[in-house]
Amino acid sequence: ETGVTQSPTHLIKTRGQQVTLRCSSQSGHNTVSWYQQALGQGPQFIFQYYREEENGRGNFPPRFSGLQFPNYSSELNVNALELDDSALYLCASLDRGREETQYFGPGTRLLVL
Amino acid sequence: AQSVTQLGSHVSVSEGALVLLRCNYSSSVPPYLFWYVQYPNQGLQLLLKYTSAATLVKGINGFEAEFKKSETSFHLTKPSAHMSDAAEYFCAVRKNNNNDMRFGAGTRLTVKP
Repeated sequence: ETGVTQSPTHLIKTRGQQVTLRCSSQSGHNTVSWYQQALGQGPQFIFQYYREEENGRGNFPPRFSGLQFPNYSSELNVNALELDDSALYLCASLDRGREETQYFGPGTRLLVL
Repeated sequence: AQSVTQLGSHVSVSEGALVLLRCNYSSSVPPYLFWYVQYPNQGLQLLLKYTSAATLVKGINGFEAEFKKSETSFHLTKPSAHMSDAAEYFCAVRKNNNNDMRFGAGTRLTVKP
């Protein structure tokens, strides 16, 4: 296990709703990245947070937003859910400046009906 | 922009046979390269990484990969497949100063008894 935890493990929402996913980074890691993994595909980078600020963003619309807290845990918020948002959402943490390896959590599987 | 291509979405080998999973990258600068494994309903686990040190990288579970700049490749190999190796494998690339990790589409490895 990597020490990165995510909650909830599974979630079912309906189109148009909002969802918040949570991630606790590995101890000592100051950077958190979020990825979306659609069924049968590789993970796609959503954004990264470093010291409570967004530090890079992939090709995702503004309805995907996030937060990082002083203890380096993080949230991913998605507004106005669409059917295509159904995916596994992965969080990864990194000790930026000390190493280059991201350690992944088990993911949250979101189903939008 | 950097990207990775994994040749073969499905690879099937017999138990005890050589495993070869192919990954080619495109990057304008020397990248960091990673192989991750994903078991069903789980997150990503790091197998090995290349960070511009030795070109032959040894990882966990008997896997290794060789960085070949002339071929822009980072293929993953294991001399003898085990049933427990059956999983999805992802190659990923990240630039030294870039927070955006790009994943390939993945290769599903099946191991036959």
